[in-house]
Amino acid sequence: QSVLTQPPSVSAAPGQKVTISCSGSTSNIGNKYVSWYQQVPGTAPKLLIYDNNRRPSGIPDRFSGSKSGTSATLGITGLQTGDEADYYCGTWDTNLNGVVFGGGTKLTVL
Amino acid sequence: QLQLQESGPGLVKPSETLSLTCTVSGGSISSSGYAWDWIRQPPGKGLEWIGSLSSSGNTYYNPSLKSRVTMSVDTSKKQFSLKLRSVTAADTAVYYCVRRIWNEDYLDYWGQGTLVTVSS
Repeated sequence: QSVLTQPPSVSAAPGQKVTISCSGSTSNIGNKYVSWYQQVPGTAPKLLIYDNNRRPSGIPDRFSGSKSGTSATLGITGLQTGDEADYYCGTWDTNLNGVVFGGGTKLTVL
Repeated sequence: QLQLQESGPGLVKPSETLSLTCTVSGGSISSSGYAWDWIRQPPGKGLEWIGSLSSSGNTYYNPSLKSRVTMSVDTSKKQFSLKLRSVTAADTAVYYCVRRIWNEDYLDYWGQGTLVTVSS
């Protein structure tokens, strides 16, 4: 059971938009920055979004992040087949005093 | 470009100690503002944070693993290490070493990961 809650899977057609939600509490998302990671099967996760809505260099602006209260959302527009991957949200939890993740969301581009 | 590389045995017997080392290249391991973390991922499952070493030398461990984990750093070799005692099959996972940005808590550089299997 993950501390942060994500839907197990989402899907959309190429070119469409998809959002992935991440729900937490006041001990984590509510008072801390949220980051998002993309993991293509067989490879290490890659930082996609940090500080709720900032993109590292090299990440296209098709990827966006937002946070409201104790929830965060990852948005991906102009879906491509190469976006098929598992996506994880993460943050710090002040009760556990450690990093916590969502269970991951598998994105399928139909 | 910072690079992290995990090394250690790929097979550990039950009840023994899992030992992994992460070598950092292309940057400093002792700069302030960073922490050095271990994260694992059991086959087919999600990410689990194991623990963290801050640049000031403090350690933070996942409460569920705290009784079995020790992390340490050797700044002269630019390495940090993980020891997980009394392993069982449930500890079989890909283990990643990662750099975390202190206070903002995002994980910006990841090692490629190393699969550790616990089996007799």
